[in-house]
Amino acid sequence: SQTIHQWPATLVQPVGSPLSLECTVEGTSNPNLYWYRQAAGRGLQLLFYSVGIGQISSEVPQNLSASRPQDRQFILSSKKLLLSDSGFYLCAWSSTNTEAFFGQGTRLTVV
Amino acid sequence: DQQVKQNSPSLSVQEGRISILNCDYTNSMFDYFLWYKKYPAEGPTFLISISSIKDKNEDGRFTVFLNKSAKHLSLHIVPSQPGDSAVYFCAASGAGGAQKLVFGQGTRLTINP
Repeated sequence: SQTIHQWPATLVQPVGSPLSLECTVEGTSNPNLYWYRQAAGRGLQLLFYSVGIGQISSEVPQNLSASRPQDRQFILSSKKLLLSDSGFYLCAWSSTNTEAFFGQGTRLTVV
Repeated sequence: DQQVKQNSPSLSVQEGRISILNCDYTNSMFDYFLWYKKYPAEGPTFLISISSIKDKNEDGRFTVFLNKSAKHLSLHIVPSQPGDSAVYFCAASGAGGAQKLVFGQGTRLTINP
């Protein structure tokens, strides 16, 4: 069966520090991969999605970037965090025309 | 531009009654619609979906209705149970062939005993 791993579960980082969140999927090949963010009291905003290795689509201009170095690995990064980057970050995967399955999320607090 | 909208931020329903959660969308190219349930500090879990070629899909206590002409879908939960208390998100995909999911803002459902 397919599983998705996302870590860390919680993270507190100072303003201006770098960020790296990692997500890996097991049990499937060539998944579509997504990074979403849920800001406090708001819905799920799609940040990045990828349909293959090295293929990244950015949905909103922001202080973050994403990379897909391997088929089942998706990384969310920032060189310098801002206070506004605080939120709940979710990684997800899907196959063609199916529902997306989410990881447990990372609570990022920038202080 | 909010392509998927859930206009009710919260809903309170008595246990045993029907819960009806609503969702509207603006992009007529969406062809696949989904509902997710989310507890605090957890990732959303998939509940039920419907393709644009259907107008109803049922799975146990959960039924999703799609009205394409009105660009509206709803989730019915009957009977409602205390464990159903969570935030519910509707999502849509397929616009322009894209498989990415576009989510609404969510509705917090509270089931009262």
